[in-house]
Amino acid sequence: EAGVAQSPRYKIIEKRQSVAFWCNPISGHATLYWYQQILGQGPKLLIQFQNNGVVDDSQLPKDRFSAERLKGVDSTLKIQPAKLEDSAVYLCASSSRADGYTFGSGTRLTVV
Amino acid sequence: GENVEQHPSTLSVQEGDSAVIKCTYSDSASNYFPWYKQELGKRPQLIIDIRSNVGEKKDQRIAVTLNKTAKHFSLHITETQPEDSAVYFCAARKGGSYIPTFGRGTSLIVHP
Repeated sequence: EAGVAQSPRYKIIEKRQSVAFWCNPISGHATLYWYQQILGQGPKLLIQFQNNGVVDDSQLPKDRFSAERLKGVDSTLKIQPAKLEDSAVYLCASSSRADGYTFGSGTRLTVV
Repeated sequence: GENVEQHPSTLSVQEGDSAVIKCTYSDSASNYFPWYKQELGKRPQLIIDIRSNVGEKKDQRIAVTLNKTAKHFSLHITETQPEDSAVYFCAARKGGSYIPTFGRGTSLIVHP
């Protein structure tokens, strides 16, 4: 189905390893968001991009998390090195004035 | 920033009963209140929303009410069905911003 595409769907890594997630937003959506959803909690915003610029990364743990959207379309979120508490679903979302706000299916990360 | 509280965290009802989920928000500048349904392993999907110039909105078996003075809003589901079982998230968003702040979610279980 057309929408926000994310990959991979699942990832299991050992602590201290690195991992990267990919997101392709809905075509034409200038705004892209990465959320972290820990089991039993609501999504927590990590970073917001407007085109290829960062609008809000105040809740991104910058010592280990990084994100980029170099061409203003797809985006990657990286964790290096991962900790056990990073286990969560990482949701990407995109929005436009016309379409509103749409989530991707997420990447479920398990850090062991 | 905005703080959204959601209650209860778990709600168990019999099929055919009504379910009510309540949220409060802290920022009086918030003017848009969406509700999302997240089925197990799937993305959050918008099911209904309400803006601050409206007190109530209904869509078939679901309705949302908003009390701006008290800064709380509620989701009402009537004639619940087993397929309503999911986690429901409320959110609040300020005008001019596309970033909603989410509640922690309510796990609704509808028993046949």
